[in-house]
Amino acid sequence: GAVVSQHPSRVICKSGTSVKIECRSLDFQATTMFWYRQFPKQSLMLMATSNEGSKATYEQGVEKDKFLINHASLTLSTLTVASAHPEDSSFYICSAQMVAGGDTQYFGPGTRLTVL
Amino acid sequence: AQSVTQLDSQVPVFEEAPVELRCNYSSSVSVYLFWYVQYPNQGLQLLLKYLSGSTLVKGINGFEAEFNKSQTSFHLRKPSVHISDTAEYFCAVSGSGTDKLIFGTGTRLQVFP
Repeated sequence: GAVVSQHPSRVICKSGTSVKIECRSLDFQATTMFWYRQFPKQSLMLMATSNEGSKATYEQGVEKDKFLINHASLTLSTLTVASAHPEDSSFYICSAQMVAGGDTQYFGPGTRLTVL
Repeated sequence: AQSVTQLDSQVPVFEEAPVELRCNYSSSVSVYLFWYVQYPNQGLQLLLKYLSGSTLVKGINGFEAEFNKSQTSFHLRKPSVHISDTAEYFCAVSGSGTDKLIFGTGTRLQVFP
């Protein structure tokens, strides 16, 4: 139980392209989903928190116009990297939480984004 | 504000030897503590968590961790490691009543035959 999927697992795109990454909770409803970014050999950095049906809360220093998050249903959140540039290349990982406030986050397998 | 410190960036160990991965945290409020494992090019898998109750927590794959409030530690242990335990291990903390996870910088466990 508590499986989270991400699609695509890997994407390579040209600079200036917008890229959409999907995060789905397959066997549970996620009231809250989180998006993280991980640079090579580094820890995960929280980018934003999204609750179904409301606007995402972005961490300090994360451009909300650059990283567009939509949490349209209790099983799907999407992250769109608008007009991607090489510095946006990274490993993006989402997680989903069943109950807000202290419960476990279940992580997706991640999406490797490479911007040429 | 909460923070997590994993002092050891790499821990090399021979197969079947015991291992301890250290994690210290700082927080002014009650915390929940987690250990996650990440295999190459994959997401994170929950090993174990401490929310309340017994301070000794048992997780998957034979791992366990002990919550020590006085030392603000949550060290991860395994009595006998396998080659397949080679991975990156992350300690994380969240404050009770908040959803945010704060991660440590990770410890690379390398198990040699």
